[in-house]
Amino acid sequence: EAQVTQNPRYLITVTGKKLTVTCSQNMNHEYMSWYRQDPGLGLRQIYYSMNVEVTDKGDVPEGYKVSRKEKRNFPLILESPSPNQTSLYFCASGNRVNQPQHFGDGTRLSIL
Amino acid sequence: DAKTTQPPSMDCAEGRAANLPCNHSTISGNEYVYWYRQIHSQGPQYIIHGLKNNETNEMASLIITEDRKSSTLILPHATLRDTAVYYCIGLGGSNYKLTFGKGTLLTVNP
Repeated sequence: EAQVTQNPRYLITVTGKKLTVTCSQNMNHEYMSWYRQDPGLGLRQIYYSMNVEVTDKGDVPEGYKVSRKEKRNFPLILESPSPNQTSLYFCASGNRVNQPQHFGDGTRLSIL
Repeated sequence: DAKTTQPPSMDCAEGRAANLPCNHSTISGNEYVYWYRQIHSQGPQYIIHGLKNNETNEMASLIITEDRKSSTLILPHATLRDTAVYYCIGLGGSNYKLTFGKGTLLTVNP
């Protein structure tokens, strides 16, 4: 089954404690991206990757890092999380602009 | 990317067709019209997309006007599980970024 898998689904942690949210897709997609969703602000892109070792900033990249060492994985790294990064996060992947992108089920992060 | 305009909310009776409009008057010739929906904090779900021609799949139909300035998503027999926020997005060229607006909250009533 084609899917995008995010882990963890839920996490409560404290300010400053480094965390990584993993994202893996099994569709051999070249394009992967991360979004965050906040009430009243909608879905905003954090980072994206067009292929292995190619990453670029989206609209709200501050405080985040990503890496793309393998095609299937695109982890989102919060080196020093802060409360304003409390949000619902989604990973997505796709292959061509004329084909749909697939989203993960989301990761709800709470930074205390 | 094409700027899209959708009504903030719509209601539909269960079993009836839901027709969700979208204006995208600035869409360029190589931009597809995509529809996604999000059911209460779940990941956005792809519904359908099209370039010029009308499209139909197992979930919905997409009607695009001849001038491509607007489109309508049709859910032929809405169910309670179709209650969601529906997003109309223009996407094309070398740009893969899905820009989500506020969408339309469709509420299907029993």
